[in-house]
Amino acid sequence: QKEVEQNSGPLSVPEGAIASLNCTYSDRGSQSFFWYRQYSGKSPELIMFIYSNGDKEDGRFTAQLNKASQYVSLLIRDSQPSDSATYLCAVNSDYSSASKIIFGSGTRLSIRP
Amino acid sequence: KAGVTQTPRYLIKTRGQQVTLSCSPISGHRSVSWYQQTPGQGLQFLFEYFSETQRNKGNFPGRFSGRQFSNSRSEMNVSTLELGDSALYLCASSYTNRVPYNEQFFGPGTRLTVL
Repeated sequence: QKEVEQNSGPLSVPEGAIASLNCTYSDRGSQSFFWYRQYSGKSPELIMFIYSNGDKEDGRFTAQLNKASQYVSLLIRDSQPSDSATYLCAVNSDYSSASKIIFGSGTRLSIRP
Repeated sequence: KAGVTQTPRYLIKTRGQQVTLSCSPISGHRSVSWYQQTPGQGLQFLFEYFSETQRNKGNFPGRFSGRQFSNSRSEMNVSTLELGDSALYLCASSYTNRVPYNEQFFGPGTRLTVL
């Protein structure tokens, strides 16, 4: 079982709709959770991070964390063509080692006009 | 505030050669981590430096090494290059290595091609 799992996609969403990206993780002791956006040929860009159960909103982005069910999700409201990218979920699964962040393989999101 | 910078951006080497990559973190950031990204394996953790000390290392052979200087700049070295080392090498910096406040910011990466 992979430590951080994401559906590879592609996930196709019409412009203006809500895109929902999901991620599950295996280590119950995980403390911090991140969402990165990566355009083709570019490096990952941090767009959200969350530490506590519940929702965290930043502009059109909402991260949701449910530690009991071991999943974290990212909602993108009013999806734009510029949101088309690969979204990487990352989880810090070692409390004593802040740098051991495990990345999922990413979900490709495509926003169709 | 300037972001993470990496040099060089592109590199072409032949098998058996060695290479050194450089990373300058965001000003004030003391933690630098290195990752290898390939289409098949995704993003894989190489190692992390904090205050000039290697704090963690991923599952890579000893050909991969690194160091950090007193100004937090970091270098990564790969010796005896193999074809499979062709990848995008990413450096990420964070202000602290304390969980959970350890969000990392990536540099643009160095694209290494081994022929």
